[in-house]
Amino acid sequence: EVQLVESGGGLVQPGGSLRLSCAVSGFTLNTYWMSWVRQAPGKGPEWVAMISDDGSIKHYVDSLEGRLTVSRDNGKNLVFLQINNLRAEDTSRYYCVRHPVGLHAFDIWGQGTMVTVS
Amino acid sequence: DIVMTVSPVSLSVTPGQPASISCKSSRSLMYDGKTHLYWYLQKPGQPPQLLIYDISKRLSGVPDRFSGSGSGTDFTLEISRVEAEDVGIYYCVQGFQLPWTFGQGTTVDLK
Repeated sequence: EVQLVESGGGLVQPGGSLRLSCAVSGFTLNTYWMSWVRQAPGKGPEWVAMISDDGSIKHYVDSLEGRLTVSRDNGKNLVFLQINNLRAEDTSRYYCVRHPVGLHAFDIWGQGTMVTVS
Repeated sequence: DIVMTVSPVSLSVTPGQPASISCKSSRSLMYDGKTHLYWYLQKPGQPPQLLIYDISKRLSGVPDRFSGSGSGTDFTLEISRVEAEDVGIYYCVQGFQLPWTFGQGTTVDLK
């Protein structure tokens, strides 16, 4: 079964940092681009970061660039998102998502990990 | 950034009746012969799930009561006969230009 499982969220004080992890199973990670999408309570989703299949290409939403670092370890089937200098407005559920080959979309989502900045 | 605008914001539908959601993008989403417009459904308590890609192509397993249409900057998602499992928030999303952006969502519930 194809699965993405996020971890690493929690309650953090403003100015703090978190490293979110995404453990993947059921597919060969090194053939897929991956992204992180966040969703604040009661709001729509927002794409925040993307990483190519081999990790050589990274993109970030402009509003968060400089505070985010996306990375991956294909050998361990893991994708990461480091968030620094957390602010109250970063409070969201963070989803790890997979890009289907050939489509600019998200076909597999994890259940997400909640980050609360307070 | 490309702005995606949906209407209506909410829709209350009698089971078995049709529903239609409109989505407008602030610029054309066509590139290299493809239009990068996608529809997602977020059911309560779940992450969004991809329903339709490239305007009108249903993902495997998506019921054929769902259909997408449109071109350029105007798109529509139609549900021919709404069922209870269709309740949730529908998002149109553009994958033409980073940052990929979501519309604000249309909430569909049952009368």
